Amino acid sequence: AQSVTQLGSHVSVSEGALVLLRCNYSSSVPPYLFWYVQYPNQGLQLLLKYTTGATLVKGINGFEAEFKKSETSFHLTKPSAHMSDAAEYFCAVSEAGQGAQKLVFGQGTRLTINP
Amino acid sequence: DTGVSQDPRHKITKRGQNVTFRCDPISEHNRLYWYRQTLGQGPEFLTYFQNEAQLEKSRLLSDRFSAERPKGSFSTLEIQRTEQGDSAMYLCASSPDIGQGNTGELFFGEGSRLTVL
Repeated sequence: AQSVTQLGSHVSVSEGALVLLRCNYSSSVPPYLFWYVQYPNQGLQLLLKYTTGATLVKGINGFEAEFKKSETSFHLTKPSAHMSDAAEYFCAVSEAGQGAQKLVFGQGTRLTINP
Repeated sequence: DTGVSQDPRHKITKRGQNVTFRCDPISEHNRLYWYRQTLGQGPEFLTYFQNEAQLEKSRLLSDRFSAERPKGSFSTLEIQRTEQGDSAMYLCASSPDIGQGNTGELFFGEGSRLTVL
């Protein structure tokens, strides 16, 4: 069974500082990996995804993530935080090529940006 | 371009009442998913449709929950005899079928928040 662990339910950084949100996954087959962002009382918006190919993937709003198979990790980074980045971030995994392709989510990391 | 639409956005009900949520997926998407998200948690899978067929149901979907997608387009999620533990955000998502542009991504609606008093 697949699972996702997000280290740190709450991360706080200063505006302009590096953002690092950690995600480790467990999957018995090659995974598809995703980061979604959720603003209050809204649905989930895709930030970026890894399916195959280049292990460093770039997403919207300046975010990027690197798939490291040996570490079973898919950490999300952004070089310089902006106030508008304050939100809840979810890492998710699905099994490549499987029928339902349902996503399994981590518990989320709430990102707070300090002025 | 219309995304996934959910209705109502908010529902407050008394314990024991029935509630129904509707989801309209992106029009060309064959696959439709329901997730539940409780406060401070990630979304949890409830059920999945391919066209009108309900192909998978989570153990979270008790017998008080029923989901339908009668014509393979919109879907409804009904909760009977609501309990306070049903209070959550119910998220709907859709995606294209394999071979029709599916890249593994799910496209989510804005959710229907249920509060059971």
